[in-house]
Amino acid sequence: NAGVTQTPKFRILKIGQSMTLQCAQDMNHNYMYWYRQDPGMGLKLIYYSVGAGITDKGEVPNGYNVSRSTTEDFPLRLELAAPSQTSVYFCASSAGVSSYNSPLHFGNGTRLTVT
Amino acid sequence: DQQVKQNSPSLSVQEGRISILNCDYTNSMFDYFLWYKKYPAEGPTFLISISSIKDKNEDGRFTVFLNKSAKHLSLHIVPSQPGDSAVYFCAASAFTGNQFYFGTGTSLTVIP
Repeated sequence: NAGVTQTPKFRILKIGQSMTLQCAQDMNHNYMYWYRQDPGMGLKLIYYSVGAGITDKGEVPNGYNVSRSTTEDFPLRLELAAPSQTSVYFCASSAGVSSYNSPLHFGNGTRLTVT
Repeated sequence: DQQVKQNSPSLSVQEGRISILNCDYTNSMFDYFLWYKKYPAEGPTFLISISSIKDKNEDGRFTVFLNKSAKHLSLHIVPSQPGDSAVYFCAASAFTGNQFYFGTGTSLTVIP
């Protein structure tokens, strides 16, 4: 039972490059989320999706894009990488139609450095 | 604007003693609260939750208390074990929403 799988685990980008962070879940969850965690900070929501074909912005969406073509996959795209995007990125999923009794299940994260 | 706050960045406790981690929130619409535990180089893992219709929820050594009037929740770990050393995040959401809001975390060290 893999849960939420993120790839790659680590990546170093040069300023201006682009990349896609992959996220897949095998729990048939409708809700999927992308968070970033900066040192000493909590988890900030970048984008989320409540089902295939539906995405919405979170607190810090600038510089990112997402798509949700299937229930299982929720890739995060970084265009024109900037040093401010150096962070650890976590993908998560949840079963809930409502939030009750539907905790988030997280992947192990992607550590991204932009230099 | 930080809607969920953990004002203690770190906490040290002797093995066998009680650990109390605190969390405050500002949004009165929040009605579902969760605690997550995070080890280095891993994703957060769900620990325990509580809905606003309760003021206490227990799961083994872990108990979460909710004080809605004070907009405060706490996580009690009894007895604390060295394996409990991790960063603990509290999170909250509203029934009408789709988002979870996280605190900044408290790093717990349990000293053997």
